[in-house]
Amino acid sequence: DSGVTQTPKHLITATGQRVTLRCSPRSGDLSVYWYQQSLDQGLQFLIQYYNGEERAKGNILERFSAQQFPDLHSELNLSSLELGDSALYFCASSSRGGGYYGYTFGSGTRLTVV
Amino acid sequence: AQSVTQLGSHVSVSEGALVLLRCNYSSSVPPYLFWYVQYPNQGLQLLLKYTSAATLVKGINGFEAEFKKSETSFHLTKPSAHMSDAAEYFCAVSEGNTGKLIFGQGTTLQVKP
Repeated sequence: DSGVTQTPKHLITATGQRVTLRCSPRSGDLSVYWYQQSLDQGLQFLIQYYNGEERAKGNILERFSAQQFPDLHSELNLSSLELGDSALYFCASSSRGGGYYGYTFGSGTRLTVV
Repeated sequence: AQSVTQLGSHVSVSEGALVLLRCNYSSSVPPYLFWYVQYPNQGLQLLLKYTSAATLVKGINGFEAEFKKSETSFHLTKPSAHMSDAAEYFCAVSEGNTGKLIFGQGTTLQVKP
């Protein structure tokens, strides 16, 4: 157990639907990062939050949004889902110096859009 | 902008043989570099990191990596492969003050008996 909890582990949904992925960071970590992993794109950075505020944004689609709550858990919302959104979505957390110490990853949510 | 290139998407070695996974980076500032391992159906686990101290970095499970600035490389090695080393390996570079990690495309290591 890495200390980063992601739920659900698996999600199957239909095109056009909306889903919410949840992440609880490791105790004491203030930064949360979301990544999408697919066979053709590899690990793509989506978005980072630090202590409730958006810190960095990557190639995140407008249909996707995220937030970090006061208790530091984070949610990634994916809407108007398309087949191409099927992927593994990882959450990672770090202390303030994530770029120095590295991240702790959760085990991911596997999203299948049918 | 920082970037990472992993040479070889698949590497196959025999059990007991040397493991060498290649990573080259591009960075306009002194980089922080990382190697992660991903076992099937699991998240990524930090193997080791370079943060401008010793250029030869030792990690978990007998892996080590050497930072070579002149070659902009950070190759991962292990003297003797075990079957349990079969996994996907990712090299990453830290970008700027956000701490965002930019990952390479990954290298799948196969270990043959």
